[in-house]
Amino acid sequence: AQTVTQSQPEMSVQEAETVTLSCTYDTSENNYYLFWYKQPPSRQMILVIRQEAYKQQNATENRFSVNFQKAAKSFSLKISDSQLGDTAMYFCAFMRNNAGNMLTFGGGTRLMVKP
Amino acid sequence: EADIYQTPRYLVIGTGKKITLECSQTMGHDKMYWYQQDPGMELHLIHYSYGVNSTEKGDLSSESTVSRIRTEHFPLTLESARPSHTSQYLCASSEGTGGNTGELFFGEGSRLTVL
Repeated sequence: AQTVTQSQPEMSVQEAETVTLSCTYDTSENNYYLFWYKQPPSRQMILVIRQEAYKQQNATENRFSVNFQKAAKSFSLKISDSQLGDTAMYFCAFMRNNAGNMLTFGGGTRLMVKP
Repeated sequence: EADIYQTPRYLVIGTGKKITLECSQTMGHDKMYWYQQDPGMELHLIHYSYGVNSTEKGDLSSESTVSRIRTEHFPLTLESARPSHTSQYLCASSEGTGGNTGELFFGEGSRLTVL
């Protein structure tokens, strides 16, 4: 079984600064996917970024990037130039290859962006 | 915004009542899911479906039941609600064929309070 751990229950950052959210996972699989999902207050959860384990290059989506360390089983999310709209719960998630979109989520990190 | 809708958004009921949480999606997705999100915000998969007439229990044991008579509709029912059922329930969907992207589309959630 896979486990996903987010060790930071809450974080805050000043607007326009950079923040990094941590995630570690445990698996015996070699082929898998990792994700960061964002859940704004009272709004739908959405996919922020995806990383395939077989790719060495870290995924990037505009201001969002990841630091994927496969050997360390670490998958952190960096948010650059933080905006007020980034305030949300952020969930790290794991999926085995060919698992039919069955995700295992971490416990979440609540991020507050302060003006 | 994803085309997946949940009703009601908020529900307060007394112990012993029967409730149905509705979930509908207009994206033609084969796969649908119900997650329970506890007060600590952790997500637990309680039911999923890979298509019409297909339903399976998730990782977290739940006294709720689901049905999938139509592709677009995946209701969740509690025959006799108890205070321990108080939680937020998130419905999600994803593509079926070739759907190994890990991208789930979530509804806004139904927050249930049982007194």
